[in-house]
Amino acid sequence: KQEVTQIPAALSVPEGENLVLNCSFTDSAIYNLQWFRQDPGKGLTSLLLIQSSQREQTSGRLNASLDKSSGRSTLYIAASQPGDSATYLCAVETSGSRLTFGEGTQLTVNP
Amino acid sequence: NAGVMQNPRHLVRRRGQEARLRCSPMKGHSHVYWYRQLPEEGLKFMVYLQKENIIDESGMPKERFSAEFPKEGPSILRIQQVVRGDSAAYFCASSSSPPGYTFGSGTRLTVV
Repeated sequence: KQEVTQIPAALSVPEGENLVLNCSFTDSAIYNLQWFRQDPGKGLTSLLLIQSSQREQTSGRLNASLDKSSGRSTLYIAASQPGDSATYLCAVETSGSRLTFGEGTQLTVNP
Repeated sequence: NAGVMQNPRHLVRRRGQEARLRCSPMKGHSHVYWYRQLPEEGLKFMVYLQKENIIDESGMPKERFSAEFPKEGPSILRIQQVVRGDSAAYFCASSSSPPGYTFGSGTRLTVV
């Protein structure tokens, strides 16, 4: 059974700092890994999708890496801004077209 | 492209009533997924449907919960005889074919 763990559970940083969010998964037989952002009381916004054959993906100030063999992914956020404050969710897709989610990292960027 | 549309956004039901949650996938998407987010917990897979077919319902509670995705119209998640423990945010996602999922804004169900 796939399990996804995200560390830390919560993170508070000053504006402008670079930061790394961590995600680990127990079963390396994944099709892809997707990072989402969830704002309070809102839905999920897809940030980055890394397919199993890829090592990383970049979008603006965000960079996600994937090491499938070790069961790890990181989301790097450069030059953080107060608007980045949200919960970041990591999800892996395994067989059967279902996503297994971590419980998220709650990020607060202080002005 | 309106994205994945879920309604209602908020739903209040008394214990024992029925809750019907609707999801219209993105245009061109034929795969629909329902997830549940209980308070202070992560999202958990419930069911995966294609038009007129349930592909995987292994995450659905055995009783009171059902889902459909008819040939015409939205996907419906139905919860009969709701209990307080059903209070949660229910999210729908769609895809044309994986990879990549687009999520709706969710329906927040409160059972009083």
